[in-house]
Amino acid sequence: ETGVTQSPTHLIKTRGQQVTLRCSSQSGHNTVSWYQQALGQGPQFIFQYYREEENGRGNFPPRFSGLQFPNYSSELNVNALELDDSALYLCASSDRTGRYGYTFGSGTRLTVV
Amino acid sequence: RKEVEQDPGPFNVPEGATVAFNCTYSNSASQSFFWYRQDCRKEPKLLMSVYSSGNEDGRFTAQLNRASQYISLLIRDSKLSDSATYLCVVNTGGYNKLIFGAGTRLAVHP
Repeated sequence: ETGVTQSPTHLIKTRGQQVTLRCSSQSGHNTVSWYQQALGQGPQFIFQYYREEENGRGNFPPRFSGLQFPNYSSELNVNALELDDSALYLCASSDRTGRYGYTFGSGTRLTVV
Repeated sequence: RKEVEQDPGPFNVPEGATVAFNCTYSNSASQSFFWYRQDCRKEPKLLMSVYSSGNEDGRFTAQLNRASQYISLLIRDSKLSDSATYLCVVNTGGYNKLIFGAGTRLAVHP
């Protein structure tokens, strides 16, 4: 059974640029969620994808967008990067219910300068 | 008020100590509850789910009180390897959004 994999592991971008982060879900999981974790805080829910559609969104602006593909992998896109977007971005996969918890990838650490 | 609130910490305890973490949540419709562990600069990892009847996994015991909207985690006989941040997590149902507390850092010393 493969776990959740994310790429890249680290990234440095300039303010105003765009970034795409990638995630492959754990085998057997069809739901993918993205979280942003700033230093010293708990992860904050960005959005969730199921069957290639966004079916839940946290308090993040529209410049945060995503995709899910037929193989359940997913992308997170952030446009017009701001300094405050610097954080650890975590992808998590689960079954449809999420009742048994989520499996997290090791994250992408994004630094905006 | 935050949706999930935890003890601010950090907790500094000697090896062998018993330590308890507390957590409260605001959404009474919450359906699933978890404790995750996060090591420095790593991803959160599921420590245990929390059930209404309470559950135990080795040195770890989790309790849930739905009436008080309160969750706890007890660690007995602390080990150096238990040093980490412990995150209280609530699944609000609906589209299964996970809400995390800010975490409580535990440092176990010799």
